[in-house]
Amino acid sequence: NAGVMQNPRHLVRRRGQEARLRCSPVKGHSHVYWYRQLPEEGLKFMVYLQKENIIDESGMPKERFSAEFPKEGPSILRIQQVVRGDSAAYFCASSPRTGGNTEAFFGQGTRLTVV
Amino acid sequence: GDSVTQMEGPVTLSEEAFLTINCTYTATGYPSLFWYVQYPGEGLQLLLKATKADDKGSNKGFEATYRKETTSFHLEKGSVQVSDSAVYFCALIFNAGGTSYGKLTFGQGTILTVHP
Repeated sequence: NAGVMQNPRHLVRRRGQEARLRCSPVKGHSHVYWYRQLPEEGLKFMVYLQKENIIDESGMPKERFSAEFPKEGPSILRIQQVVRGDSAAYFCASSPRTGGNTEAFFGQGTRLTVV
Repeated sequence: GDSVTQMEGPVTLSEEAFLTINCTYTATGYPSLFWYVQYPGEGLQLLLKATKADDKGSNKGFEATYRKETTSFHLEKGSVQVSDSAVYFCALIFNAGGTSYGKLTFGQGTILTVHP
């Protein structure tokens, strides 16, 4: 069974470019979460999506960031006009259902570097 | 809002030493509590969890007990190995009357290094 697959593993962008991060959840999982890990900090929640719906985007910056989880295909986290402060590791997690007892399975992350 | 506080690291131990990483939380209601481990260059893996007061989670020799009275979930291991070197994250999921979902709130992480 494949786990959560994220790609690319490493992404370098120049300031002002767009970054697209992809996440394929565990097969059969319909709940996806994105987290950001800034250098020497813990993970911070960004957004929670179910198929075709954004459920909670309270952790997403109001501008330049967007996320989707289409009916077919991976979840995408899109960052427009990247700035140096966007450099971080972005982790995706998936789960088969909701609730406090549900284990979230994490991908290996995409490490974004903005130069 | 909900928050998790971990002891500051890094923690450096010799092989076979006893490990404690402190974790306390602030949350309304009764959260579920987790420890995740992140090995170098990898994503997070669930190490153990506890979903109600006095529950003890355990895995790979690690243990943590959900202490509601002290709002704590300290991680312990009796004899660490070099292979335990990693970053350890304490986390919670807030349960809100059955309508919660799996949004995790993490502590800042504790780096553990074990020397032979």
